[in-house]
Amino acid sequence: KNEVEQSPQNLTAQEGEFITINCSYSVGISALHWLQQHPGGGIVSLFMLSSGKKKHGRLIATINIQEKHSSLHITASHPRDSAVYICAVSDYGQNFVFGPGTRLSVLP
Amino acid sequence: DSGVTQTPKHLITATGQRVTLRCSPRSGDLSVYWYQQSLDQGLQFLIQYYNGEERAKGNILERFSAQQFPDLHSELNLSSLELGDSALYFCASSASTAGVTDTQYFGPGTRLTVL
Repeated sequence: KNEVEQSPQNLTAQEGEFITINCSYSVGISALHWLQQHPGGGIVSLFMLSSGKKKHGRLIATINIQEKHSSLHITASHPRDSAVYICAVSDYGQNFVFGPGTRLSVLP
Repeated sequence: DSGVTQTPKHLITATGQRVTLRCSPRSGDLSVYWYQQSLDQGLQFLIQYYNGEERAKGNILERFSAQQFPDLHSELNLSSLELGDSALYFCASSASTAGVTDTQYFGPGTRLTVL
């Protein structure tokens, strides 16, 4: 069993739809990160969470430490949101483990 | 633009060779992280340096080594290259050694192709 799992693996949505990407992990963590990788390969850090919920524009990230689960929500999705979204966890040894990523396509 | 620079952008070399990848962190950032992204293994954490000292080690092969210099730039050395080392290598930086609580800023990556 992989330490970090994401679902779905691929997601196609229509512009304007509400999108949810899920991440579950099996190890103890000190923080969870959501990353966005653009089609050109560049990576941007979206959120870093150790508890609760964070919001940035149309993006919302939540984490439930007891259930070892996090979700990334995109409201009013847009074609420019098309990217791979990667969940990563860091443990107390500062070792980072990445999920396999969720490929999102938002159609106009 | 994250403020993190990596050179070269692309590198093509042959098996058995040695290459050096370079990373300059954002101004003021003391921590540098190296990651490898291959098609079959996804993103993997290799190593972290803070202010010149190694702070955390991930899945870094013995054939690979890294260092961070007094001006805070970092180099990743890959030797005895194999076909399987072909990947995107990312560098990231953050403000402190507490990378678990700091946002990381990623460079554009170096694409290494081993023929």
